[in-house]
Amino acid sequence: EVQLVQSRAEVKKPGESLKISCKASGYSFFSYWIGWVRQTPGKGLEWMGIVYPGDSDTKYSPSFQGQVTISADKSINTAYLQWSTLKSSDSAMYYCARRTGWYIDHWGQGTLVTVSS
Amino acid sequence: SSEVTQDPAVSVAVGQTVRITCQGDSLRSYYATWYQQKPGQPPVLVMYGNNNRPSGIPDRFSGSSSGNTATLTITGAQAEDEADYYCNSRDSSDNGLGLFGGGTKLTVL
Repeated sequence: EVQLVQSRAEVKKPGESLKISCKASGYSFFSYWIGWVRQTPGKGLEWMGIVYPGDSDTKYSPSFQGQVTISADKSINTAYLQWSTLKSSDSAMYYCARRTGWYIDHWGQGTLVTVSS
Repeated sequence: SSEVTQDPAVSVAVGQTVRITCQGDSLRSYYATWYQQKPGQPPVLVMYGNNNRPSGIPDRFSGSSSGNTATLTITGAQAEDEADYYCNSRDSSDNGLGLFGGGTKLTVL
């Protein structure tokens, strides 16, 4: 059974850094693209970017390029999303998602990030 | 334009048929994918490749596409189908990401 288990909710202050994780199991981690989707009440679902753990090829949505870093460690079947400088506008629910073909077939349970002073 | 749009809300009586639509130029070239999301839960894949249901999705869900419009149809809606539905389409960029519609809130009366 494919499972994507994300790290717990986070509460941070503006300017702080953060790295959240998504541990995959039940499939060959290095063979599928895995990425991150942001969900906010105002903007709905947005692809942020994806990484191919097999060779670490990474693609970003133009809206998130330079704002976040997406990576994967295939030795521990884990994908990451990180920020170096959080802003209040980064407050959202973040889902990791496995992509097969051109669609998402499995989602993580979500990590709620709250950025507030 | 590189976006897909959905009606914000649709309602249906229990047992009736409801159609949820998604429009965008990308849908002339690429299949739509549909996700169901209930409050407090992650999205769940309900339709892919225009009319393919993943294992476990009831056969009352079906998909179709014509021109720039993709449609998710629920034939004989049930109370448990009340949820937000999001369409997704590949776009023409080469970043491998897709476009999400803004979502349709389905209310089952």
